[in-house]
Amino acid sequence: DVKVTQSSRYLVKRTGEKVFLECVQDMDHENMFWYRQDPGLGLRLIYFSYDVKMKEKGDIPEGYSVSREKKERFSLILESASTNQTSMYLCASRGQRKIYEQYFGPGTRLTVT
Amino acid sequence: QKEVEQDPGPLSVPEGAIVSLNCTYSNSAFQYFMWYRQYSRKGPELLMYTYSSGNKEDGRFTAQVDKSSKYISLFIRDSQPSDSATYLCAAQTEDNYGQNFVFGPGTRLSVLP
Repeated sequence: DVKVTQSSRYLVKRTGEKVFLECVQDMDHENMFWYRQDPGLGLRLIYFSYDVKMKEKGDIPEGYSVSREKKERFSLILESASTNQTSMYLCASRGQRKIYEQYFGPGTRLTVT
Repeated sequence: QKEVEQDPGPLSVPEGAIVSLNCTYSNSAFQYFMWYRQYSRKGPELLMYTYSSGNKEDGRFTAQVDKSSKYISLFIRDSQPSDSATYLCAAQTEDNYGQNFVFGPGTRLSVLP
């Protein structure tokens, strides 16, 4: 059974803190993605990676950075958390053949106070 | 322009009803059209996909794409309470990395017993 796991289901952080969200996939997928999901706005792509150490900006990269040191792991970093980064964060991975299918983790509900 | 629009609902129907979910899109380069289902507190999962225009049926679910009108539809026959979820339409171009994978905001469906 394919699996994408995320380090935390719920996280509460203070404004200005550095936040790390980790994602691990066990499918040997080349492509990994970080999205945030907000009511009425759907899923918006923050960053994606198509290989180890490779990263590309998505639609809303401001205030975020990412790291991919190993193929199975993709981390999202909020350098200085702000209240407008309160959201649901979803990680996904995708292989090279079935480009229509992204596998999602369960999400991390981040609250910044 | 990368945009997929979808009526957010919520939509409530009685058990056994036929459900019609719809999306429109604006990017003519989209070739893959997907429907993802997201249960509460879970990540989205692929339900069905269609390549280019046409219909695709899988059990009680039928996906339709009309590229001439840029319209995407999902029909659910004999709806069940277990179909209660948020349904996200998505579209993608023929790119390699998934950077042009765009989701609609989702329609929340409740099927009442």
